[in-house]
Amino acid sequence: QVQLVQSGAEVKKPGAPVKVSCKASGYVFKTYDIFWVRQATGRGLEWMGWMNPNSGNTGYAVRFQGRITLTRSTSINTAYMELGSLRSEDTAVYYCARGRGWLGHMDVWGQGTTVTVFS
Amino acid sequence: QTVLTQPPSVSGAPGQRVTISCAGSSSNIGAGYRVHWYQQLPGTAPKLLIYDNTNRPSGVPDRFSGSNSGTSASLAITGLQAEDEADYYCQSYDDRLSGSKVFGGGTKLTVL
Repeated sequence: QVQLVQSGAEVKKPGAPVKVSCKASGYVFKTYDIFWVRQATGRGLEWMGWMNPNSGNTGYAVRFQGRITLTRSTSINTAYMELGSLRSEDTAVYYCARGRGWLGHMDVWGQGTTVTVFS
Repeated sequence: QTVLTQPPSVSGAPGQRVTISCAGSSSNIGAGYRVHWYQQLPGTAPKLLIYDNTNRPSGVPDRFSGSNSGTSASLAITGLQAEDEADYYCQSYDDRLSGSKVFGGGTKLTVL
């Protein structure tokens, strides 16, 4: 079945980077975009960025530009989200999701990765 | 602040009908960009509930329906069931924000 499986929970110190992986299976990885969304505890969903696995093209939400990098490895059907210069406000659950294009929906989601920024 | 505005909470008794509103503007819903809805059960990832304003993915009961009017969208749930208790989010696209997906703040549905 189609699924996205994310890497495990991370605990990081302020100022450090974190890299979360998202492994796709059950479909052709290059044919769907990958989106990243985060959710702080008790808060709503926040879109972070987008990547086209075929071209490698990316787009980022304004508030994350300069701190976020989205990459992929097509040989292992895996997308990555790296967020740098972590601060306590970045403590959240990070989700990857599959979709098609800026205007479309996200039809399959990863299980989420908890990132805790703690000094 | 969120670009799409939803009520923080709604409630209803089993069997009743509830609606959740999603208010936008001329740069998102009012511009004709499609609205999608997600259901998030406690402790789980969001699940696609309605896409392209009115369409249900396979497996989603027809008790759930979406609609649009002007700069707003709505999610209706009929025949409310205990298992519908969850957070619901609307999502669209906003052309003022350098091309961004935008979410509503979420609505907590309580089944009384």
